[in-house]
Amino acid sequence: DTEVTQTPKHLVMGMTNKKSLKCEQHMGHRAMYWYKQKAKKPPELMFVYSYEKLSINESVPSRFSPECPNSSLLNLHLHALQPEDSALYLCASSRLRVVQDTQYFGPGTRLTVL
Amino acid sequence: AQRVTQPEKLLSVFKGAPVELKCNYSYSGSPELFWYVQYSRQRLQLLLRHISRESIKGFTADLNKGETSFHLKKPFAQEEDSAMYYCALSGRETSGSRLTFGEGTQLTVNP
Repeated sequence: DTEVTQTPKHLVMGMTNKKSLKCEQHMGHRAMYWYKQKAKKPPELMFVYSYEKLSINESVPSRFSPECPNSSLLNLHLHALQPEDSALYLCASSRLRVVQDTQYFGPGTRLTVL
Repeated sequence: AQRVTQPEKLLSVFKGAPVELKCNYSYSGSPELFWYVQYSRQRLQLLLRHISRESIKGFTADLNKGETSFHLKKPFAQEEDSAMYYCALSGRETSGSRLTFGEGTQLTVNP
């Protein structure tokens, strides 16, 4: 398996809902990432996990809560989101043998907050 | 701080013409530079990285440390090259990889 997969593909939620995004990779990568991408803009880094530990949090609001249950899985828990949080959420992974290893991206979850 | 600049938001060329997508960067150490491509309705995927010195789909990019540039070139553009292209920089961090993207260049290759 040489891909990063993400579920669901699309998600619509209200501002009071709680939902989760899921990301999975079976390439043996030990670093996993969450990015947020608005239309016609580049991805913006949110979180980095290295060896299942949170290593970078780019000052993301607490209504986004990441979780890395094991080396293959990455979740992003969502609670009390705002309409401006609507975006494409991308997951990526990399080997981490050297810190500048190539990142491989999933197809994304398109989130709409009503 | 690391920064990537892609001066052209839109670039339009005719099929068979040469194409160059510009990328300049700012970083105090030794960066790793990448070009990622996003075709319509497809995932972001790596096109090439400077350290591998490969030519992918006819594209090449040379890292010029003096000019802090990493321009992407192709001698003869094809219609299937139409996509959004992002230049990205990864600096040396102690854990994980902080990838910084430029704003992107939307390339359109006309028939």
